[in-house]
Amino acid sequence: NAGVTQTPKFQVLKTGQSMTLQCAQDMNHEYMSWYRQDPGMGLRLIHYSVGAGITDQGEVPNGYNVSRSTTEDFPLRLLSAAPSQTSVYFCASRWDRGGYGYTFGSGTRLTVV
Amino acid sequence: EDQVTQSPEALRLQEGESSSLNCSYTVSGLRGLFWYRQDPGKGPEFLFTLYSAGEEKEKERLKATLTKKESFLHITAPKPEDSATYLCAVQADDYKLSFGAGTTVTVRA
Repeated sequence: NAGVTQTPKFQVLKTGQSMTLQCAQDMNHEYMSWYRQDPGMGLRLIHYSVGAGITDQGEVPNGYNVSRSTTEDFPLRLLSAAPSQTSVYFCASRWDRGGYGYTFGSGTRLTVV
Repeated sequence: EDQVTQSPEALRLQEGESSSLNCSYTVSGLRGLFWYRQDPGKGPEFLFTLYSAGEEKEKERLKATLTKKESFLHITAPKPEDSATYLCAVQADDYKLSFGAGTTVTVRA
C-alpha cells in the first residue's frame, strides 16, 4: 500500500542511548519531514528534506540528526537521548501535483527514562 | 513568526448537532491552509487544502472555509465516527508547516 511507513511503533530508551527512527515512503515524493507531537502543543517541525542529499533544520532541531541518501528513506537519529525527547514522532511526505498536501505516517511513541 | 490558534480546545456534541471549529492564523504570505483529522494513536489524516480567501471545500459532513484571517471547519449533523482531534496548519514558505494545538471533538449517540 502506498504511504509513509514508520518503525518502530514504540520504543523505550535510557538517557544517553542513541537510536534511529525509520521512515520510508513509496510515492516518489521529493519533500519529507519529521515532526514531534507533545500534549497541548501543535506538531513541531524537527528537520526536513527537499530531495536526496538535501536536508535543513526546522523549529526544534537540537539533539536530532538526519540524512537523505535516497528519495524513499528519511531516518531520524537521536544522538544521546534525553527525557525531554519523550514524545510521539511523525514522518510526513508531501505531494505537489494538482495542489499539495502532506501524508503522515502512523508515528513512533518514544519514551526516554 | 507564524501563529495558528484553534478554538475551542474541546467540543462535545450530540449526534446530529451541527457546529464549527475555528482556526485563526497570522502568517506573511499564505501558501496553503490544511485541515487534518487525527484519531488516538494514529497519524494525522489529510482532509483539505485551502489556498485563497473565499475558497470552500467539502467532504461528506465536513466543510472548510477560508478568510484572510481564519478558517472554519463546519461539521454538519455529526455522527459518533466523526469523533477525533482536528488539526489546522498553515504554510507560508515552501518548506515549513505551522500547526495549531487542535480541537478534540466528541460526538455522543
